[in-house]
Amino acid sequence: GAVVSQHPSRVICKSGTSVKIECRSLDFQATTMFWYRQFPKQSLMLMATSNEGSKATYEQGVEKDKFLINHASLTLSTLTVTSAHPEDSSFYICSASNWRGHTGELFFGEGSRLTVL
Amino acid sequence: GQQLNQSPQSMFIQEGEDVSMNCTSSSIFNTWLWYKQDPGEGPVLLIALYKAGELTSNGRLTAQFGITRKDSFLNISASIPSDVGIYFCAGPALSSNTGKLIFGQGTTLQVKP
Repeated sequence: GAVVSQHPSRVICKSGTSVKIECRSLDFQATTMFWYRQFPKQSLMLMATSNEGSKATYEQGVEKDKFLINHASLTLSTLTVTSAHPEDSSFYICSASNWRGHTGELFFGEGSRLTVL
Repeated sequence: GQQLNQSPQSMFIQEGEDVSMNCTSSSIFNTWLWYKQDPGEGPVLLIALYKAGELTSNGRLTAQFGITRKDSFLNISASIPSDVGIYFCAGPALSSNTGKLIFGQGTTLQVKP
């Protein structure tokens, strides 16, 4: 299957700092990438849809100024958690889509564990 | 909105046993995807189903796309300890042509050696 690489896998930061997470699609061009957040023992919660060359589409309740998404190329999307606080601690996962029309697959990165002290 | 109801929520089985889990919805899906997530990792695609009635195998895993297009099941035969993890079903949101997926709640599988 396709490979999606996410970095860093773990990050610990102080409250008030900003953290950037990168998501790279290594073997196909992904016009769309998705960012998820996952709490322990729960399913994946979609945060936003990242489209190459345009603004991200955020799900209801997700603060766009808090979670900045940039999709600068067909292989790279970044999520920046700005002014992080302990409640932002979570597992963040990106995915890259090769969807065309009504069919395709979604490939996930390894995830990034953010801990805000 | 669209929802996927996945069951059971968790399973604790003996090594060697077969496992069955399923997903149902009140709305139609054109694609069903089954993922496995190991602790601290991102989900990995196991099986993708694109056609109603389709039955697809991947090693000891078998999944079927229900005829009504409102359900799918995943079977694991002769379970082994490395099958431990969370299994998610997923399908594309009707409103999306970009792969925006709706996920089930997940089935947590534990295998006793």
